[in-house]
Amino acid sequence: AQKITQTQPGMFVQEKEAVTLDCTYDTSDPSYGLFWYKQPSSGEMIFLIYQGSYDQQNATEGRYSLNFQKARKSANLVISASQLGDSAMYFCAMREKGSGGSYIPTFGRGTSLIVHP
Amino acid sequence: DVKVTQSSRYLVKRTGEKVFLECVQDMDHENMFWYRQDPGLGLRLIYFSYDVKMKEKGDIPEGYSVSREKKERFSLILESASTNQTSMYLCASSLSGEREKLFFGSGTQLSVL
Repeated sequence: AQKITQTQPGMFVQEKEAVTLDCTYDTSDPSYGLFWYKQPSSGEMIFLIYQGSYDQQNATEGRYSLNFQKARKSANLVISASQLGDSAMYFCAMREKGSGGSYIPTFGRGTSLIVHP
Repeated sequence: DVKVTQSSRYLVKRTGEKVFLECVQDMDHENMFWYRQDPGLGLRLIYFSYDVKMKEKGDIPEGYSVSREKKERFSLILESASTNQTSMYLCASSLSGEREKLFFGSGTQLSVL
């Protein structure tokens, strides 16, 4: 079973509109971290936002916010006021403790976002 | 700024060749990782290292080995390259802990012919 599930292979949004990218996760570890990364066509991986499992408030970073619903094991990324430069692949990732005690990052399959003018 | 450097951006090798992919980070990170990225499959963990000379298998270690003789350098080795190892390889490093983000290299696109 996948630890991170991103059900939207591709998403389209109009410039200046908001868009939500879905991510669900599976873990039995009470302490874990959730991350979103952006990968533009250039290929670089850019960290966007982090949410800790014990954090009481949803994380926000500028136009990015994370809709964290712990009971549903959901960590959706919300991008407000989309810009053309937001067109990219977006990856959800979770870092949880592995059998050896290290926190191992696992990634979803990604969502390709295209922003239309 | 943290810098993670992968030695080659593009690499073309022949089936059966031994291939070395090198990764160097300059921020004294304990953890280093090798992922391969394939369309529709996301990033899959091959191996990671949490300290010098320490390594653990990820989800898809078959056909690969790694070496970490120095803290800043983590090498991925394809003992006998095969065409199904044609892929984008991403190296990353981080501090330890569930809150720590990954810092990525720019990737190596490996083609095995």
